[in-house]
Amino acid sequence: AQSVTQPDIHITVSEGASLELRCNYSYGATPYLFWYVQSPGQGLQLLLKYFSGDTLVQGIKGFEAEFKRSQSSFNLRKPSVHWSDAAEYFCAPSRDNDMRFGAGTRLTVKP
Amino acid sequence: GAGVSQTPSNKVTEKGKYVELRCDPISGHTALYWYRQSLGQGPEFLIYFQGTGAADDSGLPNDRFFAVRPEGSVSTLKIQRTERGDSAMYLCASSSPGLTQYFGPGTRLTVL
Repeated sequence: AQSVTQPDIHITVSEGASLELRCNYSYGATPYLFWYVQSPGQGLQLLLKYFSGDTLVQGIKGFEAEFKRSQSSFNLRKPSVHWSDAAEYFCAPSRDNDMRFGAGTRLTVKP
Repeated sequence: GAGVSQTPSNKVTEKGKYVELRCDPISGHTALYWYRQSLGQGPEFLIYFQGTGAADDSGLPNDRFFAVRPEGSVSTLKIQRTERGDSAMYLCASSSPGLTQYFGPGTRLTVL
C-alpha cells in the first residue's frame, strides 16, 4: 500500500539555525514528490516539487529538498530559519493523480 | 493570475442541515480535487474530477457527501444531513492533469 511518513510531529529551532524535516514514502514506483507549507488557518502553499532529474531541488523562501531513491526519502532543508517560517509542513507524494499527505511537521521558531 | 478560490471561507451550520461548498479553480485547469483536513491532521483526499466527470470518488466517506462539476470549471461539494464529525477544513485544488496541484484557502465548516 502507498504511504508517506513524517516522523517528527513537532520541531523547535532557534532563529538562524538550520532545519531538516524528514519525509519517507512507500510506493511501488517513484512518485512525484511535493512539499507544502500551511500557516495557521490558511490553505497550502507549494514550496517545491520533484518530478525527475537533478535530485536536489530548490524551492521558494530559501528551502531545498533532496530526493534519495535508495532511502525512499525526500527531506526538506533550510540553512537559516526565519521567524516567519513557523508553520505546518506537509510532504506529499503523488502518483496517477493520487496525492497522499503526511501527518505534517509543526515548526516552532524560537527568537 | 487568479488562484483557486473557495466560498464561503467559514460556514457554521446545525446538525442535520444541508451545506454546499464552492470551488473556483485556476482558469484552464482541467483537474480539480477536494480534500478534508481535520485539526492536527494532513489533508485527506475526497474526490478528483477530470473535466466534468468524477475520475475518482473513493475518498468520499459515505453517501451524504457528493460533488459536482457540471461545466468542467466550478465545483460544488454537497453534504447532506451534516454531523458534528463533518466539522473540518475543506480544501480544493486544481491542476493541469498529472502536474502540480494548487490549493485554495479552504472553507472552515463547523457543525453545531
